[in-house]
Amino acid sequence: RKEVEQDPGPFNVPEGATVAFNCTYSNSASQSFFWYRQDCRKEPKLLMSVYSSGNEDGRFTAQLNRASQYISLLIRDSKLSDSATYLCVAFTTYNDMRFGAGTRLTVKP
Amino acid sequence: DADVTQTPRNRITKTGKRIMLECSQTKGHDRMYWYRQDPGLGLRLIYYSFDVKDINKGEISDGYSVSRQAQAKFSLSLESAIPNQTALYFCATSVAGAGELFFGEGSRLTVL
Repeated sequence: RKEVEQDPGPFNVPEGATVAFNCTYSNSASQSFFWYRQDCRKEPKLLMSVYSSGNEDGRFTAQLNRASQYISLLIRDSKLSDSATYLCVAFTTYNDMRFGAGTRLTVKP
Repeated sequence: DADVTQTPRNRITKTGKRIMLECSQTKGHDRMYWYRQDPGLGLRLIYYSFDVKDINKGEISDGYSVSRQAQAKFSLSLESAIPNQTALYFCATSVAGAGELFFGEGSRLTVL
């Protein structure tokens, strides 16, 4: 079983839609969580950190549920430019930073 | 110019050949990492280094070696490449105490 699991998708949504991704992690010692964005054939880049109280950055909202060991990412009012693969990351220490395989999102006109 | 630079960006080689992937950074970060990415498996850590004298194995180090030549340079070697080492390789850096990784643009390696 992978330590961080994500629905691979693809999620195909129209512009303006709201879409949500979930991610589960198996290591209860995981301390911090992140969402990275990866465009096709490019390097991953940090999208946002995920805080226990939940956090929002513009159209993006991240939530953490420690009891159920999952994190989520909500994208409102989807844009064409949101098309990418979204990677969920859980880490315990710097040698134990686990990436999910990613969820692919395509936003269509 | 990218803050984290990888060379070569693409390489095709044959089984048994020795390959070196190089990474250099201008971010001034102490911590450097090598990851490989395979479809459906996500990014997996090969080696990491917290400073020039510190080298550590990651999740999948077998078949790989590394060298930290300077604070800014971290190279990955495949002594005898095999086809299942075909993957996209990323170098990354980070600041101690912070969770963000800064990735290079990737090196796509194909072993025939």
